[in-house]
Amino acid sequence: QKEVEQNSGPLSVPEGAIASLNCTYSDRGSQSFFWYRQYSGKSPELIMFIYSNGDKEDGRFTAQLNKASQYVSLLIRDSQPSDSATYLCAVNMVPGNTGKLIFGQGTTLQVKP
Amino acid sequence: DVKVTQSSRYLVKRTGEKVFLECVQDMDHENMFWYRQDPGLGLRLIYFSYDVKMKEKGDIPEGYSVSREKKERFSLILESASTNQTSMYLCASSGQGLSYEQYFGPGTRLTVT
Repeated sequence: QKEVEQNSGPLSVPEGAIASLNCTYSDRGSQSFFWYRQYSGKSPELIMFIYSNGDKEDGRFTAQLNKASQYVSLLIRDSQPSDSATYLCAVNMVPGNTGKLIFGQGTTLQVKP
Repeated sequence: DVKVTQSSRYLVKRTGEKVFLECVQDMDHENMFWYRQDPGLGLRLIYFSYDVKMKEKGDIPEGYSVSREKKERFSLILESASTNQTSMYLCASSGQGLSYEQYFGPGTRLTVT
């Protein structure tokens, strides 16, 4: 069973702090990893993706990938109340070109003013 | 700019009705997906398609069928709607290669009474 695991939260951080969201996955052969943000009642929105071990930065967001330990994380610096949402981790584990992703259940982030 | 559109934001149907949900993407993507999302259950894949006229079952295909006659359009069909199909339905599309990031439409909230 191919799985992506996330802590459901809620993760509560004060405004201005760093929020750290974590995700583990079961398939060591996984190649690409994605973070989505989903506001209540809305559809998921792609934040960033990462393919290689290490860090990838985009504005206030940093994705970190460690394939040996099979985890991927998302750091949000200078957290704002507008960052309050559910964050979904997704992993491409399935071989072939179908583009199928396995999604985690999501972590709810609350940023308190 | 990436765009995935869905035919309706809100839909109310009666039990036993045949329901069509349509999804259109303008990114020339090969892969298209239908998910449903329910509280506490996360995103669940219903069907996906990796080419015109090609389809594969996802994790919960029972009670649903799909059609992909043109590359840009992917339809989800509920042959005989039931109350347990009340849900948020999300369509997504993605390209080929390592760029498997999926882009989601706004979603259709379907209520079956």
